[in-house]
Amino acid sequence: AQSVTQPDIHITVSEGASLELRCNYSYGATPYLFWYVQSPGQGLQLLLKYFSGDTLVQGIKGFEAEFKRSQSSFNLRKPSVHWSDAAEYFCAVVQTGGYQKVTFGIGTKLQVIP
Amino acid sequence: EAGVTQFPSHSVIEKGQTVTLRCDPISGHDNLYWYRRVMGKEIKFLLHFVKESKQDESGMPNNRFLAERTGGTYSTLKVQPAELEDSGVYFCASSPGLVAYFGPGTRLTVT
Repeated sequence: AQSVTQPDIHITVSEGASLELRCNYSYGATPYLFWYVQSPGQGLQLLLKYFSGDTLVQGIKGFEAEFKRSQSSFNLRKPSVHWSDAAEYFCAVVQTGGYQKVTFGIGTKLQVIP
Repeated sequence: EAGVTQFPSHSVIEKGQTVTLRCDPISGHDNLYWYRRVMGKEIKFLLHFVKESKQDESGMPNNRFLAERTGGTYSTLKVQPAELEDSGVYFCASSPGLVAYFGPGTRLTVT
C-alpha cells in the first residue's frame, strides 16, 4: 500500500530563516505529488503539485518543492519564512491513473518565532 | 468562484445521537470526497462520489456512517449513532480531475 512519511511532526524556525519540510513516499510507480497547507481556522489549501516534467515545482506564497525519484522524496522549501507561514503542512499523493483518493502524510506543524 | 463549503463548522453531540454533515462542492465538479482526521493522526479517506454514484467507499469505518449525494450536487454524511471515536475533523473535497479542493472542515466532538 502506498504511504507518505513526514518525519518531522513539529518544526520551529526563526522569521527570515530558510525552511525545508521533508516528505517521502512509498509506492511502486511515481504518483502525483502535492503539498497542502492548513492555517489555523482554515481549510486545506493547495500549495503546489507535481505531475511530470521539471522536478523543481513552484507554488504559491513563495514555496517550491523538488521531486527526487531516486530518493522517493518531495521536499518543500522556502528561502525566507514569514510569520504568516505558521501552519500545518501536509504532503500528499494520488495514485497515477484515473480519479483516485488522496493519501496524506501525518502533517508537519510549523512554528515561526520572531 | 465559491470554494467548497461545509456545514456546520463545529458540532458537539452526545454519544448515541445523530449528526448530519453537509458539503457543497465547487459547481461543476463531478468528484466529491469525504475525509476524516482524528486528533494526532493522518487525514484518512472515507469515500468518493462521482456525480451521485459512490465510486469508492472503502474508507467508511462502519455502517453507522451513511453518505449521500443528492442529484450529484451537495453531499451529506450522517453518523448514527455517534460514538466517542467518531470525534475528529471531517473534510470534504471536490475535484474536476486530479487536483482536489478542500473545504474548511467540520469539527465533530462526541461527548
